[in-house]
Amino acid sequence: GNSVTQMEGPVTLSEEAFLTINCTYTATGYPSLFWYVQYPGEGLQLLLKATKADDKGSNKGFEATYRKETTSFHLEKGSVQVSDSAVYFCALRGAGGTSYGKLTFGQGTILTVHP
Amino acid sequence: IAGITQAPTSQILAAGRRMTLRCTQDMRHNAMYWYRQDLGLGLRLIHYSNTAGTTGKGEVPDGYSVSRANTDDFPLTLASAVPSQTSVYFCASSDAGGIRGQSNEQFFGPGTRLTVL
Repeated sequence: GNSVTQMEGPVTLSEEAFLTINCTYTATGYPSLFWYVQYPGEGLQLLLKATKADDKGSNKGFEATYRKETTSFHLEKGSVQVSDSAVYFCALRGAGGTSYGKLTFGQGTILTVHP
Repeated sequence: IAGITQAPTSQILAAGRRMTLRCTQDMRHNAMYWYRQDLGLGLRLIHYSNTAGTTGKGEVPDGYSVSRANTDDFPLTLASAVPSQTSVYFCASSDAGGIRGQSNEQFFGPGTRLTVL
């Protein structure tokens, strides 16, 4: 079945530091890939997405590139802010078989940014 | 109503009691989903519905049931709650549950925090 593995957290950074959160996946076919963000006390919000190999999703200074050769979708931001403190989830949407259409999530990475 | 609403916001429940978590969306999305969020495990799919009148089992369906009588509502019922069902429950919806080629973005509600004692 499909699976998503995120780097272990939590991650603690100082403001303006560079952020990378690793995400790798296992899936059949050509899944779509997503990063969701959950701010304290809220539900999940879509941060960015990529639907085919070599696509780059970007939003709010965050970027992630769909790398089929390494089955990865790492999240990066060049300069984090305190307001980026949240939980980040990598997810994939199944492309075939019984997993079609459903989202599979990674375990989440807690990011804390200090001033 | 704007987006997805869930009720209640939080609930403490005695083991063995029956509980229904409510979810309503006003976006006319075809597909709806229920997830539970547990620390270190991310979100796991409980049940889903690709369209009104149909439902399916997700990754962790045992102990839960759902119904989809209309497009807007997707209640989740715990027939006899157990402490392992203590979790945060999220409802989500999307407008392309089964159409190939769609990115199938899911929109999430604010969650229900359930504690079973």
